[in-house]
Amino acid sequence: KQEVTQIPAALSVPEGENLVLNCSFTDSAIYNLQWFRQDPGKGLTSLLLIQSSQREQTSGRLNASLDKSSGRSTLYIAASQPGDSATYLCAGNNAGNMLTFGGGTRLMVKP
Amino acid sequence: DAGVIQSPRHEVTEMGQEVTLRCKPISGHDYLFWYRQTMMRGLELLIYFNNNVPIDDSGMPEDRFSAKMPNASFSTLKIQPSEPRDSAVYFCASSRSGSPYQETQYFGPGTRLLVL
Repeated sequence: KQEVTQIPAALSVPEGENLVLNCSFTDSAIYNLQWFRQDPGKGLTSLLLIQSSQREQTSGRLNASLDKSSGRSTLYIAASQPGDSATYLCAGNNAGNMLTFGGGTRLMVKP
Repeated sequence: DAGVIQSPRHEVTEMGQEVTLRCKPISGHDYLFWYRQTMMRGLELLIYFNNNVPIDDSGMPEDRFSAKMPNASFSTLKIQPSEPRDSAVYFCASSRSGSPYQETQYFGPGTRLLVL
């Protein structure tokens, strides 16, 4: 059974810093690894999806990497802004349609 | 597109009452998922449907929970009778068919349920 872990659970950084969020998973037989953002009281919004054959995906200031052999993914946020404050969740897709989520990292970017 | 629509957004009920949560997926999406999110357990998949047929309900906690999808544009999650430990945020999500390598899920805003 897939288990997904995210460290740290919470992170506070000053505006402008570059930061890395970590995600680890136990079952490397994944179709893809996805990163979501969740704002307080809201649903999840998909940020990046890395297919199992890919090593990274980029969208604007966000870059996500995938290393299946080590069971790890990272989300890199460049030049962080207060608007980036949210909870970030990673999820592994093992069965084509079923996502297993990590516990999330709650990010606060201070002005 | 309006996205995934859930109702109600908030529900407060008393223990023992029946609760029905509703979801309208994005038009054209033939997968629908129900999740529950709590502080203790995070985000858990309860059940998912493909073309209105339940595929995996192994995440449904117990017989008090049931889900239906009578047509492609509507699904319900029912709890009867409700208990305080059912208090959580319930999310509905939908996705398209296609390559499982590429498709992501689109989440609704959630229903925040409080059982007193």
